[in-house]
Amino acid sequence: DAKTTQPPSMDCAEGRAANLPCNHSTISGNEYVYWYRQIHSQGPQYIIHGLKNNETNEMASLIITEDRKSSTLILPHATLRDTAVYYCIAGDYGNNRLAFGKGNQVVVIP
Amino acid sequence: GAVVSQHPSWVICKSGTSVKIECRSLDFQATTMFWYRQFPKQSLMLMATSNEGSKATYEQGVEKDKFLINHASLTLSTLTVTSAHPEDSSFYICSVQGNTGELFFGEGSRLTVL
Repeated sequence: DAKTTQPPSMDCAEGRAANLPCNHSTISGNEYVYWYRQIHSQGPQYIIHGLKNNETNEMASLIITEDRKSSTLILPHATLRDTAVYYCIAGDYGNNRLAFGKGNQVVVIP
Repeated sequence: GAVVSQHPSWVICKSGTSVKIECRSLDFQATTMFWYRQFPKQSLMLMATSNEGSKATYEQGVEKDKFLINHASLTLSTLTVTSAHPEDSSFYICSVQGNTGELFFGEGSRLTVL
């Protein structure tokens, strides 16, 4: 799997869009970008994934740069319940042995 | 996405006893399930892959005789921590893989060994 780099932590304002960056400069052509989050003392939650095109679902939007070396997860209107560790992972489709890394501790501030 | 449920959510046991954790895929038939362990302030570590009707595949460094995995049906996998010791205290999480590669996780089971 390609290595990903995320900031260790960031604060976001409640009600504003939260933009979570991720670098994956060594990503290969067949590797997807997956995003998960883990709220304290809970199992991780799948958010979104994509290969080349930008993706949007009811939780978030995923913007992948044209060269695929980085991506941004956008939470359109951050709420206090979005406080969690967010994991950006690059891996082959169907690869269950994804390495989660340390993630980005996002704190939404009132 | 798939709904995955674990039981129990938390368990406290005495050192030397065995503890069984169940992982159920409620709306998805899973031929494969995955077990992870997470120590405080650390990331998830894959322990083993549970295969329905056959032996589990363990990651390097995980003792298969200590962490017994059974996957008897398409909706149930169990992890038994045998002869538990305090160092086995951790957060154990299972997951199933969806049709497009994404992982769906259970709520986790927190084990405390006294």
